[in-house]
Formats: sequence, structure tokens, C-alpha cells
Amino acid sequence: IAGITQAPTSQILAAGRRMTLRCTQDMRHNAMYWYRQDLGLGLRLIHYSNTAGTTGKGEVPDGYSVSRANTDDFPLTLASAVPSQTSVYFCASSVDAGRVDTQYFGPGTRLTVL
Amino acid sequence: AQSVTQLDSQVPVFEEAPVELRCNYSSSVSVYLFWYVQYPNQGLQLLLKYLSGSTLVKGINGFEAEFNKSQTSFHLRKPSVHISDTAEYFCAVSAMGAAGNKLTFGGGTRVLVKP
Repeated sequence: IAGITQAPTSQILAAGRRMTLRCTQDMRHNAMYWYRQDLGLGLRLIHYSNTAGTTGKGEVPDGYSVSRANTDDFPLTLASAVPSQTSVYFCASSVDAGRVDTQYFGPGTRLTVL
Repeated sequence: AQSVTQLDSQVPVFEEAPVELRCNYSSSVSVYLFWYVQYPNQGLQLLLKYLSGSTLVKGINGFEAEFNKSQTSFHLRKPSVHISDTAEYFCAVSAMGAAGNKLTFGGGTRVLVKP
């Protein structure tokens, strides 16, 4: 069982370019999340999806968009990258958004925007 | 809204010594608390969680935490650390709302275990 996979592992991107970070889970979890991790700030929620076909905004959604066409995939898109989006991005999932439960994390994508 | 404060950004500790990582939270609703660990260049994995019941929670790798509602704290402890415990530790609070199950993280505590 792979759990959650993320791609790419790392990326250097020129400012203004479009970038999609991929996230796939094989646990059939209903809920999925995108976080960014910045030094001293911990992880902050960007967007979430409680179930396939629905998405919502987290704490820091500006400059990012997501889609949830099916249960397994939850891509995060930066339409026009800016240097402040340099961060480590983690995808996570949980069984059901309707109850408090463990979130399982992917290995992360390290993104540098120059 | 909820928030989490981890009082120490870095904790150096010698091997086989005890360690305590402090976590305080604020929340206007019932809280559910988590500790996650992040080893270098890896994602986060769950150490332990408090959902209800006993306020003393035992987790993996010999860690435990105590939920103290009156002090709004959820401190993490280990009586004897190993070199392999070198990692960053995150406290998080979850609260159910209209938008589902959301985690709010503290800023993290980096533990460096010295031989």
C-alpha cells in the first residue's frame, strides 16, 4: 500500500509560470487536504475537499486552486507562481471529513519560485 | 477559531535524558489534540492523539502526552530519548465545523538529540 504519493519531489520554478502539484491516495479516503509548511509557522491549510466533487478554502488559499474529480486525486495548481509561494507542500487525507480522525500525509513537494 | 502555541522552537537534549515538548491551545469548541513527528526530509506521521477518555495518552516510540483542560495544554513527554528521536514535532488541534475536520498546527519544535 503506497498511501499518499506526491509529485514532483522538488521543483524550481520561474515566477509567473503555472505549476500543478500532484497528489494521489490509494486508501479510498473521502477527505483530502493541501498544506504548506514554512519555518516557524508550522503547516497551514491551503484548500481541502470533504468528498469527490467538492472543495473548500483553507487558511491561505490565495494564488492556489484545487479540483477533486475523483476520490483518489487532488491536484493543487499555482496559476502564476510568485516567490512567496516558495515552500514545502504536503498533501494529506483522512477517512471521513464528518468525524475527527487522523490525517495521513504524503512525503511533500519542495517548491522554489525564483 | 482555534490556535496552537508551541513554546519552544528548539530543544537540545542528551541521549537517554527525558524530554518535554510544550503545547498550549485555544479553542471555543470541544478540542481534539494530536502530536505529529516529521523526520528529516519526510512527511508527517502521527505520534498520538487525544479524542476523549483518559487524559494520559500513550503513543508510538515511547512518547506520551497529557491533556489538561484547565491549563489548555497537551505537553508531550518521553522519559529517555534516542538519537533516532531527532526530528521536528508538531502539536495540532482539530475542531469539527461546517467545513468538516480541520487541523490547526503549532509552529513546531525541533528536537536535537546529542550523544
